[in-house]
Amino acid sequence: DAGVTQSPTHLIKTRGQQVTLRCSPKSGHDTVSWYQQALGQGPQFIFQYYEEEERQRGNFPDRFSGHQFPNYSSELNVNALLLGDSALYLCASSLVDRGTGELFFGEGSRLTVL
Amino acid sequence: KNQVEQSPQSLIILEGKNCTLQCNYTVSPFSNLRWYKQDTGRGPVSLTIMTFSENTKSNGRYTATLDADTKQSSLHITASQLSDSASYICVVSHMNTGFQKLVFGTGTRLLVSP
Repeated sequence: DAGVTQSPTHLIKTRGQQVTLRCSPKSGHDTVSWYQQALGQGPQFIFQYYEEEERQRGNFPDRFSGHQFPNYSSELNVNALLLGDSALYLCASSLVDRGTGELFFGEGSRLTVL
Repeated sequence: KNQVEQSPQSLIILEGKNCTLQCNYTVSPFSNLRWYKQDTGRGPVSLTIMTFSENTKSNGRYTATLDADTKQSSLHITASQLSDSASYICVVSHMNTGFQKLVFGTGTRLLVSP
């Protein structure tokens, strides 16, 4: 049973460029959440997708956008990259909100903006 | 403001020793509290999930406690091993407009020394 998979694992971009990160949820899961984790910090919630719609959003600018596909996989897009966008981007999947819904994380995509 | 604070920020212990990590939260309304282990550069892995009615939960050498009255939790690691070296993140869940929302602490970085 494949867990949460993310791609690419590492990438380097320059300021002003755009990036797309991809996530495939754990088999059977229908909800995907994205987090940004700066070095030495805890993950910060970006947004969550369910039934191909953004359900919740954290305090991130509109440069951060996403999409969920009918097969529950998801993409995170970041436009006009800034140096401060350098971080580990984590995808987490779960089965639609339950009181103690287990959250499974992928290994992350390490983005470096030069 | 919903916050999760962890202490200590970092900790070094000798292999075989026990240690306790602390988590204080001001999240409301409380839904559940989770502890995650995160190896450097990897995604977090769930250790325990506790609801309001649970005050102790174990997972092998890891034992979490929850005092919902004082809004405190601890994670006790028994007979530490080198592989326990990681960041331990406390996450508190609350319900927001019908959806579960997670508040992450910044983690405690544990180094187990031989």
